[in-house]
Amino acid sequence: KAGVTQTPRYLIKTRGQQVTLSCSPISGHRSVSWYQQTPGQGLQFLFEYFSETQRNKGNFPGRFSGRQFSNSRSEMNVSTLELGDSALYLCASSTLAGGPEQFFGPGTRLTVL
Amino acid sequence: GQQVMQIPQYQHVQEGEDFTTYCNSSTTLSNIQWYKQRPGGHPVFLIQLVKSGEVKKQKRLTFQFGEAKKNSSLHITATQTTDVGTYFCADIGGSQGNLIFGKGTKLSVKP
Repeated sequence: KAGVTQTPRYLIKTRGQQVTLSCSPISGHRSVSWYQQTPGQGLQFLFEYFSETQRNKGNFPGRFSGRQFSNSRSEMNVSTLELGDSALYLCASSTLAGGPEQFFGPGTRLTVL
Repeated sequence: GQQVMQIPQYQHVQEGEDFTTYCNSSTTLSNIQWYKQRPGGHPVFLIQLVKSGEVKKQKRLTFQFGEAKKNSSLHITATQTTDVGTYFCADIGGSQGNLIFGKGTKLSVKP
């Protein structure tokens, strides 16, 4: 079975721009979660989607949004980018909502200049 | 909100030495999961502990869940260079059931 894939792997943007990241979960997995990883804050939960519905959301501003399609693929959007948004964005899929085991993708390294 | 604290932040060991990382919470943990992230890689699920006092082993790795379900530990016996990476604990916390990660313990192993 193919693992979780994320595109693009690397991205450079400037402040004020917006960005869309994509995640394809493992086949058969209906839950997709997104995390932001930075050296200072560690792994922080952004949101989780299950069967096209946002199941829960972390403490991030409204500039961060996401969606899930009927094939379980998910996208994350960040609008009006700030320097502090530079991070590794990881998505993880699981068979059930909330886990138990999360399978992470390789991540998208976003750099905001 | 719920916080999961992990110590130490860094650990440098000589190959063959043992290593332990601890995960603590001020509130009762639901289920503890442990993940390993190699340098430049992504987190990989290691194990989940559910029951109070539970102990599970994977080769040289021993995972424990405290009796009060407020702490957990990961112990590696006789570290090898392949053990290098950051070890995270995570709890399915809060009413929303999302994973709350500790900050991780970065392990380096000197050959």
